[in-house]
Order: sequence, then structure tokens, then C-alpha cells
Amino acid sequence: DAGITQSPRHKVTETGTPVTLRCHQTENHRYMYWYRQDPGHGLRLIHYSYGVKDTDKGEVSDGYSVSRSKTEDFLLTLESATSSQTSVYFCAISGATGGGSGANVLTFGAGSRLTVL
Amino acid sequence: SQQGEEDPQALSIQEGENATMNCSYKTSINNLQWYRQNSGRGLVHLILIRSNEREKHSGRLRVTLDTSKKSSSLLITASRAADTASYFCATVTGTASKLTFGTGTRLQVTL
Repeated sequence: DAGITQSPRHKVTETGTPVTLRCHQTENHRYMYWYRQDPGHGLRLIHYSYGVKDTDKGEVSDGYSVSRSKTEDFLLTLESATSSQTSVYFCAISGATGGGSGANVLTFGAGSRLTVL
Repeated sequence: SQQGEEDPQALSIQEGENATMNCSYKTSINNLQWYRQNSGRGLVHLILIRSNEREKHSGRLRVTLDTSKKSSSLLITASRAADTASYFCATVTGTASKLTFGTGTRLQVTL
């Protein structure tokens, strides 16, 4: 997981509280992603960023917001956590898209396990 | 909805045997990738195959792609206990800069 760190790694919170997960990269990669992983669903994209202040929604974005004020940091916020957001959250980065040899190859962080009681 | 679906969901083999897992997808792709995930860890990229390629090799890994059937297979030859992990296919479509993952195959290699 060199070059990409997630914090916190584990968090337990209560329903209705705000939660922010942080992804920090030292690779100067343009693209950053937040996925959640749940049994039976694989990985599902929440939000992604293609540059500072440039973000877009993924397939499961409801209840989540993101911000990217610096190249190296991508924050995922749950404004009011619900039990359905209990999951393992993965950040990923990518330096290239399109037809190049490194096209869309992702490097993942170690994950953040969130439990909402 | 999932773009890729892996088959089988779980596979148990003995060390030294070959492991084959399959991925089917729904729409035309630019490339297809395979990732491995060890328990409790993040995913690690294994291999990428482009839509105009039919086969790729990397060490003990062999990936095939059949765009007419919208399917791919990952073959791990001479499996080792260390290959025990979950394996995911992921697709890139259109001009999107995002990957869509399947639900994964859980591989168990026993001694």
C-alpha cells in the first residue's frame, strides 16, 4: 500500500453522526476513487475525482459527499451515518487513463472499516 | 448494477493444480483487468487485457478475452497456498476513467 494511506483504519460510530474518511497519496496521481466493499456486492464506486475540485458520482453516491482541495487528499464524508453504510471503504488512485499501458490501473489503500451502530 | 460477474463464486483446489475463474460482462469495454485481494487487505492489480487482445501472460497467470461472448478467464497454473485470495475482474468502458468491479471468486489452495 505504499504511496496511499487511509485514515482511520477502523471506526465505530452511532447512527446520525457525521463521519469523514481520509485518503492521502504521495504519488501525485490525478485520479482518486472511493469504493465500498460489501459481501455479495464486490466493490461499488461511490465517488471519484479527476483533479483538484473535480469530482463525479459513482453508482452508490447517495448519502456520501467528497472533497478534493489538494492533489494528495480525497475526503469521503457521511453527513449522517446510517447502519446501511456499515462497510469497508477503499480508496484507490490512478495516474493514467485512456489507451496507455497504465490505463486505469488502480492502486488501492488498505481500507477503512466503518461500523455504524 | 455489476458490470462483471465472476464464476465460480468459490473454488477450492490443491496445491499444484490449475485454477480457472471466469468473468462475464454486459457492455463493450476498453480493457478488462484482474485484481487479487488477500483477506483484510486492499486489492492488487494483476494483469490488464485490452479489447483488441485475445490473450495475455504474466508469470503463472494467463488471461483470455472473448469480446464476442463478453467474457474473460483467468488461469493460474501450478497453484500455491499463497495464491489463496479473492480474485476480481474489473472493466473500463467508453471514455470513463472509472473501473467497475465484479463480485469476485474466492480461491482456496490447500496443501
